[in-house]
Amino acid sequence: QIQLQQSGPGLVKPSQTLSLTCAISGDSVSSTSAAWNWIRQSPSRGLEWLGRTYYRSKWYNEYAVSVKSRTTINPDTSKNQFSLQLNSVTSEDTAVYYCARGRWYNWNGGYYYYMDVWGKGTTVTVSS
Amino acid sequence: DIQMTQSPSSLSASVGDRVTITCRASQSINNYLNWYQQKPGKAPNLLIYAASSLQSGVPSRFSGSGSGTDFTLTISSLQPEDFATYYCQQSYSNPWTFGQGTKVEIK
Repeated sequence: QIQLQQSGPGLVKPSQTLSLTCAISGDSVSSTSAAWNWIRQSPSRGLEWLGRTYYRSKWYNEYAVSVKSRTTINPDTSKNQFSLQLNSVTSEDTAVYYCARGRWYNWNGGYYYYMDVWGKGTTVTVSS
Repeated sequence: DIQMTQSPSSLSASVGDRVTITCRASQSINNYLNWYQQKPGKAPNLLIYAASSLQSGVPSRFSGSGSGTDFTLTISSLQPEDFATYYCQQSYSNPWTFGQGTKVEIK
């Protein structure tokens, strides 16, 4: 059964880099039928998808425009995990951060994307 | 970005009630719509994908319908474990966006 184990600091100083890791068990970060996502949740912004990485003969990364200039999501095949780096953080980046597996459902010519397995979440506070 | 608007923001219901939650997209998303349940302190849990497909292991009292811009999540007979917050999410275009949530509380 797939599990996602999140790790990383809960406190980051303003202007520094937020770094989180999501370790995968029961699936592979290189799976050609999955994508690996980061989502965050805060009272002010609700649930916000940040980006994903996936492998289809080569690696692809996609990011939300709102964070694209500050965000990097990297797979680590040697450790079967993926990471989030968010640069130049401010108090607006204070949130609970989740990693999640994404899958596609192929039906009637369409590919329907959903996130079916989530990590437990990491509360990250940006404060000096 | 596609805006997702849920109504109501909260509702009170009793065990055994039929509950309906609505989600509206700011443009047509065909049936690229997912529903999640979230309990306090926990991650969201997938209930429905592609507007009406029930995720494996989810009780059959949950159902989804709709297409285009208007969607519905129905709980046919509310159970004690269903008191939670429900979110819709569109997967039609990047960035995937969520509704603001509907909190289902005990009456």
